[in-house]
Amino acid sequence: QVQLQESGPGLVKPSQTLSLTCSVSGGSIISGGHYWSWIRQRPGKGLEWIGYIFYRGTTHYNPSLLSRLSISVDTFKNQFSLKLNSVTAADTAVYYCARYVTYSNGWSFDYWGLGALVTVSS
Amino acid sequence: QSVLTQPPSASGTPGQRVTISCSGTSPNIGSNTVNWYRQVPGTAPKLLMYNDNQRPSGVPDRFSASKSGASASLTISGLQSEDEADFFCAAWDDSLNGPVFGGGTKLTVL
Repeated sequence: QVQLQESGPGLVKPSQTLSLTCSVSGGSIISGGHYWSWIRQRPGKGLEWIGYIFYRGTTHYNPSLLSRLSISVDTFKNQFSLKLNSVTAADTAVYYCARYVTYSNGWSFDYWGLGALVTVSS
Repeated sequence: QSVLTQPPSASGTPGQRVTISCSGTSPNIGSNTVNWYRQVPGTAPKLLMYNDNQRPSGVPDRFSASKSGASASLTISGLQSEDEADFFCAAWDDSLNGPVFGGGTKLTVL
């Protein structure tokens, strides 16, 4: 069974860079042709898709975050990472990593991590 | 707030049938398939339904889903106490060119 685990600092200062890593176990990040995604949930709000990456490095980002966002993958470590720069309090959220899979006529996030709370505060 | 609209709460007694709605618009539910997820607080979200009404392996057939136009619904039959959780819907949005989510519905089993 595929498992995902987020890790990274729980507190980031305003204007700095938020960095999180998702470690994948129970399966290879390069197999199956899947994409690897980041999703967040800000306090009191619904889920927001951040972006995803294919193991070869192809990315697809939420346009609202495009200018501040970078998602990368490390196939040797079976991990993928998120960097969001110039953060503000509005970036305070629980950040989830998830596996994005496609079907013949649809898609889903079929495996998720537990989530990591990141607070932006001085 | 959220692109897809769900009622914030729903409830039922054991054995009852409960339906949770998810309302969207033409670029998302009206044009693309819907997924449903279940999350017990403190645990990872779990895929419950995909492609509008398909159950992943291991999901009981007490769970069913449907879609009509730009609205979708999840139905839980034979409600059990362990069904208590947050449920949220998701769909691809052609305007965003990415997935969008509902705000989630907290299900309480009375």
